[in-house]
Amino acid sequence: DSGVTQTPKHLITATGQRVTLRCSPRSGDLSVYWYQQSLDQGLQFLIQYYNGEERAKGNILERFSAQQFPDLHSELNLSSLELGDSALYFCASSRGQRGQETQYFGPGTRLLVL
Amino acid sequence: GESVGLHLPTLSVQEGDNSIINCAYSNSASDYFIWYKQESGKGPQFIIDIRSNMDKRQGQRVTVLLNKTVKHLSLQIAATQPGDSAVYFCAESGYGLTFGGGTRLMVKP
Repeated sequence: DSGVTQTPKHLITATGQRVTLRCSPRSGDLSVYWYQQSLDQGLQFLIQYYNGEERAKGNILERFSAQQFPDLHSELNLSSLELGDSALYFCASSRGQRGQETQYFGPGTRLLVL
Repeated sequence: GESVGLHLPTLSVQEGDNSIINCAYSNSASDYFIWYKQESGKGPQFIIDIRSNMDKRQGQRVTVLLNKTVKHLSLQIAATQPGDSAVYFCAESGYGLTFGGGTRLMVKP
C-alpha cells in the first residue's frame, strides 16, 4: 500500500458526460500528479499540483482540469467525455515540487466511456 | 518532449534465474531515474531509483545500472520469483515522469 488513495475504483459513463476523480496524497506529501494510462499511449503525465498551486502541465486536454484543495486532496475533472478517454487514471504524490523525488502511485480509477 | 523507451516488450525467464530489463533514454540532461513494477489492475509500485551521479545502485534482489555515455538503464532482478511477474517501467523524472513503454516479465515455474 503506497498510502495514496483514489476514488472511485471504477467509473462507467456515457459520451458527452462529465466525471470527477478524487485523490488523497500520502501524509506529508505536498505534490499531486495525475497520469493517464491507455493501451495506445501508455502512461502519460497530465498535470502536477504543489500545495494548492498548478506547477506543471503535461499532455492534458483542454476538456480536462484539476485542482488541489487546502487539505491537499486533488480532483481531476474530465468533461465532454469521448470514447478515447477510456483509460486508467492514476494519481501520484511526492514530498516536494521538483524532480529527483520518488512519486508514489495510487491504485487508479478505471474509466469506461460508452 | 524527450522520451524514455524499452527494447524488449516481453521477457520470459525461468524461476530462480536472473532477469535483466533494459531501457534507453534520450534526454542527456536527465538526472533522476526510477524503475516501477506494475501488476495487473494495480498502480505502478516503486522498485528502485538512481541519480545521474551514480552508476549503480543495489536494493533487495534488484540492481539498477546507469550508463550515461550511451543513455541506457538496466534493472537486474536476482533469483527471479513468480511474484516478480509484472510489467516493468523505467521513468525519467522532471516535474512529471516520462515513462517508457514497459516490459512484461513472465516467470516460468
